[in-house]
Amino acid sequence: NAGVTQTPKFRILKIGQSMTLQCAQDMNHNYMYWYRQDPGMGLKLIYYSVGAGITDKGEVPNGYNVSRSTTEDFPLRLELAAPSQTSVYFCASSPPGTGSGGELFFGEGSRLTVL
Amino acid sequence: LAKTTQPISMDSYEGQEVNITCSHNNIATNDYITWYQQFPSQGPRFIIQGYKTKVTNEVASLFIPADRKSSTLSLPRVSLSDTAVYYCLVGERYGGSQGNLIFGKGTKLSVKP
Repeated sequence: NAGVTQTPKFRILKIGQSMTLQCAQDMNHNYMYWYRQDPGMGLKLIYYSVGAGITDKGEVPNGYNVSRSTTEDFPLRLELAAPSQTSVYFCASSPPGTGSGGELFFGEGSRLTVL
Repeated sequence: LAKTTQPISMDSYEGQEVNITCSHNNIATNDYITWYQQFPSQGPRFIIQGYKTKVTNEVASLFIPADRKSSTLSLPRVSLSDTAVYYCLVGERYGGSQGNLIFGKGTKLSVKP
């Protein structure tokens, strides 16, 4: 049982490049989330999903896209990377049968630098 | 969505009890209160969750008054390793379609020797 797995752990992008941050969970969780955390700041919700095929915007969705074709995977796509997207990205999930007030399980994070 | 307000920072010394209060004036009937701990370069980790009155586990206690408009996380006898950021979240615990789970700014706890 690996929990929430994020790849890559580190990545450097050039301005204008695109990439996908991968997130997978093996706990059969319905809810999945993407957060970003800038240095010394709190977490900001980018997108979330309440189940396969259903996604919705969070606080800071601009510049990102997501998809949820399976229960296990919730990739985050960055199009046309900008320096403002330099951050640590955390993926999280919460157990089945619970709403968003349930316990969140976080991945180890993906540190992205855009130069 | 119930917004939460916490102190930005707190200082303590090893061996003391630390109480961090969170305000959530607009909490809904179905909302639960959950606290997370985050160390630098790591994702947040669940500490404790409650609905009303008092909840205690092996690491903390959570006190929730009858009106549920606030909650207090109590850390007994803190050590240097408790230095972290603590977040209070409010959201539906069972069912519901609400997935817009927003973290506040958190409270940065610094424990000194």
